Amino acid sequence: SYVLTQPPSVSVAPGQTATITCGGENIGSKSLHWYQQKPGQAPVLAVYDNSARPSGIPERFSGSNSGNTATLTIKRVEAGDGADYYCQVWDSSGDHPVFGGGTKLTVL
Amino acid sequence: QITLKESGPTLVKPTQTLTLTCTFSGFSLRNTAVGVSWIRQSPGKALEWLALIFWDDDKRYSPSLKSRLTITKDTSKNKVVLTMTNMDPVDTATYYCAHTSLTIMDVWGQGTTVTVSS
Repeated sequence: SYVLTQPPSVSVAPGQTATITCGGENIGSKSLHWYQQKPGQAPVLAVYDNSARPSGIPERFSGSNSGNTATLTIKRVEAGDGADYYCQVWDSSGDHPVFGGGTKLTVL
Repeated sequence: QITLKESGPTLVKPTQTLTLTCTFSGFSLRNTAVGVSWIRQSPGKALEWLALIFWDDDKRYSPSLKSRLTITKDTSKNKVVLTMTNMDPVDTATYYCAHTSLTIMDVWGQGTTVTVSS
């Protein structure tokens, strides 16, 4: 089964840029999605197809995907961006979705 | 506007079968490339995908739980049902359903919490 690896935690000061990575074998060949989950809430799609933003997601959120690493970048981080972030791809060998282990973003 | 809502028991006993219903609006499971996924999250843990059913009744299951899961749909009633057999305390979690467009879980329900305890 395809494995996605995320750092457990990332910390950033308000106004700075947060970078959350998601690693996987040749992940750049896959379409990758990011979900934001705030405490006590259901996940929300934040970025899809590597770099597209759903309506309602601020332009500060962007994504990239190449080689063995995908990246979610949040510019000008705000206190409200503090959340867990999960990456997800379709495992083509198993023919099903796979989530990463999640990254807790702490805004200092 | 797409909405989904999960329903089912909040407490089940070990070895029992769990039946969860996802009732949705704003889309039809007759539409091409549309599906409904089930995902769970144990307390303090990561998201775990469980099952997915597509508009054409194609079904996918988590390999680790496949023997215990069944997903079905009632297109006319806008419902998707997930059953999980032989429940164990480790299955205690919040269970979510989500509208799925190809590989993207783009709208999620609020989740329903299930506790497994005798």
